[in-house]
Amino acid sequence: EVQLLESGGGLAQPGGSLRLSCAASGFTFSNHAMSWVRQAPGKGLEWVSLIGARGATIYYADSLKGRFTISRDNSKNTVYLHMNSLRDEDTAVYFCARGRWQPLYYFDYWGQGALVTVSS
Amino acid sequence: QTVVTQEPSFSVSPGGTVTLTCGLSSGSVSSSYYPSWYQQTPGQAPRTLMYNTNSRSSGVPDRFSGSILGNKAALTITGAQADDESDYYCVLYLGGGIWVFGGGTKLTVL
Repeated sequence: EVQLLESGGGLAQPGGSLRLSCAASGFTFSNHAMSWVRQAPGKGLEWVSLIGARGATIYYADSLKGRFTISRDNSKNTVYLHMNSLRDEDTAVYFCARGRWQPLYYFDYWGQGALVTVSS
Repeated sequence: QTVVTQEPSFSVSPGGTVTLTCGLSSGSVSSSYYPSWYQQTPGQAPRTLMYNTNSRSSGVPDRFSGSILGNKAALTITGAQADDESDYYCVLYLGGGIWVFGGGTKLTVL
């Protein structure tokens, strides 16, 4: 059974940093792209970033470039999202999702999410 | 900036049929955008329903179907049930490693 478990959420100050982790199990992690999707309170889903299976291919939503960094450690079956220069509007639940990429483009399994609150 | 459009809300009677759509602020949606659909109830993670326009994800009942209708992607629910009451999101792959979600449709079954 595919499982994705996010951790590392919590309270951060504006301008601060936070690192989210997503531990994967139930599939061959190194064969799959991984993605982060976020959802602000009461709002819709917003795609954040995707990293390819080997980590060589990385994409970000234009609005987040330069502040967020996605990475992965295939030896630990874990994908990370490093968030810097946090703003109030980054407050959201951050979902980890397994990405299907080339030739299909969608997200097939989802974690339960980690809440990030940016507030002073 | 590309905006993906969805109806903010929709209502359907139990047993009825409803079609939710997913469009682009400029241009037409085709299968080249690999439209996919997700169902989400409050406080829960999204659930993948449909991908590549009309392929059902594992375990999704066949009363859910996907298509291209005119210039939009569409998700049709036939024989709506009470537990179909959820938020539904589409996402389009714009190419160049960019996905954009629609704003979501809140479906009420009553």
